[in-house]
Amino acid sequence: GNSVTQMEGPVTLSEEAFLTINCTYTATGYPSLFWYVQYPGEGLQLLLKATKADDKGSNKGFEATYRKETTSFHLEKGSVQVSDSAVYFCALVNQAGTALIFGKGTTLSVSS
Amino acid sequence: ETGVTQTPRHLVMGMTNKKSLKCEQHLGHNAMYWYKQSAKKPLELMFVYNFKEQTENNSVPSRFSPECPNSSHLFLHLHTLQPEDSALYLCASSTRPGENYGYTFGSGTRLTVV
Repeated sequence: GNSVTQMEGPVTLSEEAFLTINCTYTATGYPSLFWYVQYPGEGLQLLLKATKADDKGSNKGFEATYRKETTSFHLEKGSVQVSDSAVYFCALVNQAGTALIFGKGTTLSVSS
Repeated sequence: ETGVTQTPRHLVMGMTNKKSLKCEQHLGHNAMYWYKQSAKKPLELMFVYNFKEQTENNSVPSRFSPECPNSSHLFLHLHTLQPEDSALYLCASSTRPGENYGYTFGSGTRLTVV
């Protein structure tokens, strides 16, 4: 079956630190991969996506590269801000899929 | 405002009550979804609708009853719920099921069953 595994949180960083949140997946064929972000009290917002191997998705300083050889889609940011504090979800849709499949989410807390 | 509106934002109901959650989108999307978000668990897909027709029911108990009268509106009717059903219920929409442009989510309804 299809599944997404994210690193356990919470991740606690100081402002301007480097961020990595690991995500690996299991899927048939060539899934599309996504990162969503959920700020407190809100729904999920699409952060970035990649639809084929070696694609790099990027948005708001965040990046993730679709690595088929390691079935990974790790989220990175070079310098986090307090406003990046949120829950981050890795997700996939496989080629024959009907809906997004999510990981458990990773809570990021950034302090000044 | 994301384009997907959910009401109410918060709901407290007893186990014998009947209530409904509402979701509305005017993005021109044809697919709509209900997800359940519980603490420490992945988001759980509950139902998928495409052009008003239910295309997926992810083994959801019958005490949850969805309704999709048109492509812009989706309801989740609740009856005889259990305390473990307390969660954030998220509605989402997309142009088609599984499409790779991403989904638009509402802000959710925080449900507490007492």
